[in-house]
Amino acid sequence: AQSVTQLGSHVSVSEGALVLLRCNYSSSVPPYLFWYVQYPNQGLQLLLKYTTGATLVKGINGFEAEFKKSETSFHLTKPSAHMSDAAEYFCAVSARSSNTGKLIFGQGTTLQVKP
Amino acid sequence: GAVVSQHPSWVICKSGTSVKIECRSLDFQATTMFWYRQFPKQSLMLMATSNEGSKATYEQGVEKDKFLINHASLTLSTLTVTSAHPEDSSFYICSASPGGVRQETQYFGPGTRLLVL
Repeated sequence: AQSVTQLGSHVSVSEGALVLLRCNYSSSVPPYLFWYVQYPNQGLQLLLKYTTGATLVKGINGFEAEFKKSETSFHLTKPSAHMSDAAEYFCAVSARSSNTGKLIFGQGTTLQVKP
Repeated sequence: GAVVSQHPSWVICKSGTSVKIECRSLDFQATTMFWYRQFPKQSLMLMATSNEGSKATYEQGVEKDKFLINHASLTLSTLTVTSAHPEDSSFYICSASPGGVRQETQYFGPGTRLLVL
């Protein structure tokens, strides 16, 4: 069975500092990988996804993530945090063999950005 | 593109009443729609998966007679919480998948906050 683990339920960085949000997955076959962001009282917005090809994926708002098969990881980074980045971030996976696209979410990481 | 709407955005109802939540894909046809429930400070929990014109597939532990899902068209799915009780109060989020080459991607609605008194 697939699972997703986000290390650190709460991450705090200063404005302008590097953002690193960790995500590890467990799956016998590398799945599709996603990062979503959720602002308070809103739905989820897709930041980026990895399906195939280049393992470094660039997304919206300056975020990027790298798929590392050997480490079963898909960590999210941003070189310089902005106050508007403060939100809840979810890593998710979907089995390549699935015909429904069912997502399995991590527990979420709250990103706090201090001025 | 790929916009999903939900209506209503919030609803307050009395215990015992039923509440219907609509999920619409505005600019694409959704072969599959998903319904999630999210408690405060927690992750999303998948409740059910629905395909247009067929019965929804419910996750283990989700009462299908309580949470009625209808996916009548390729752009509309509804979730009806029947005989709602305070413990049903939650944030309900739907998502839609275009299928085909973008089958793996889900686009999420803004969510509906339900408060049952």
